Amino acid sequence: GAVVSQHPSRVICKSGTSVKIECRSLDFQATTMFWYRQFPKQSLMLMATSNEGSKATYEQGVEKDKFLINHASLTLSTLTVTSAHPEDSSFYICSARRSSGGVYNEQFFGPGTRLTVL
Amino acid sequence: TQLLEQSPQFLSIQEGENLTVYCNSSSVFSSLQWYRQEPGEGPVLLVTVVTGGEVKKLKRLTFQFGDARKDSSLHITAAQPGDTGLYLCAGARGYQKVTFGIGTKLQVIP
Repeated sequence: GAVVSQHPSRVICKSGTSVKIECRSLDFQATTMFWYRQFPKQSLMLMATSNEGSKATYEQGVEKDKFLINHASLTLSTLTVTSAHPEDSSFYICSARRSSGGVYNEQFFGPGTRLTVL
Repeated sequence: TQLLEQSPQFLSIQEGENLTVYCNSSSVFSSLQWYRQEPGEGPVLLVTVVTGGEVKKLKRLTFQFGDARKDSSLHITAAQPGDTGLYLCAGARGYQKVTFGIGTKLQVIP
């Protein structure tokens, strides 16, 4: 149990376009999901916390108008990178926390999305 | 300021050797997780520890949570090439957001 999927796994886009990344909890409900960014040879950097039915909470320095987050159901959160630029190229990973059961702060991660902006 | 200090950051060992990775903090955590991440993939949860002094084993991996719940260790016995990866510890205090360590990149050479 506790499987999280992400789609797409890889995306290449032109500068100025928008890209949507989906994060789904497949076998559990997740009131809270998290979006991370990971640069090469570095640890995870939390971008925002996504709460079902309410606005996301963004970390300091993360532009909320550039990284749009929608958590419309208990199993789906989306991250849209708007007007992408080459500096947005990175590995984006989502995680989900179970709504009930288990240890509260356990997070289950998706496989990640490699975004390349040309 | 790095809330969770992980050491060593890099480790290259021969197959069959033992190793220990440390995760230390000055803060008390209500729970601590260990993850392994392989290149191009998301982290995979290995274990969660919640009780001070707790020891959990996962095949050749032994995880320990410090008595004061401020530190943790991961010990691997007879490492194998399949153990290669980035090991991350992550801690949380109550309902606050989880903090990740910088990670330990392990390479096991056949």
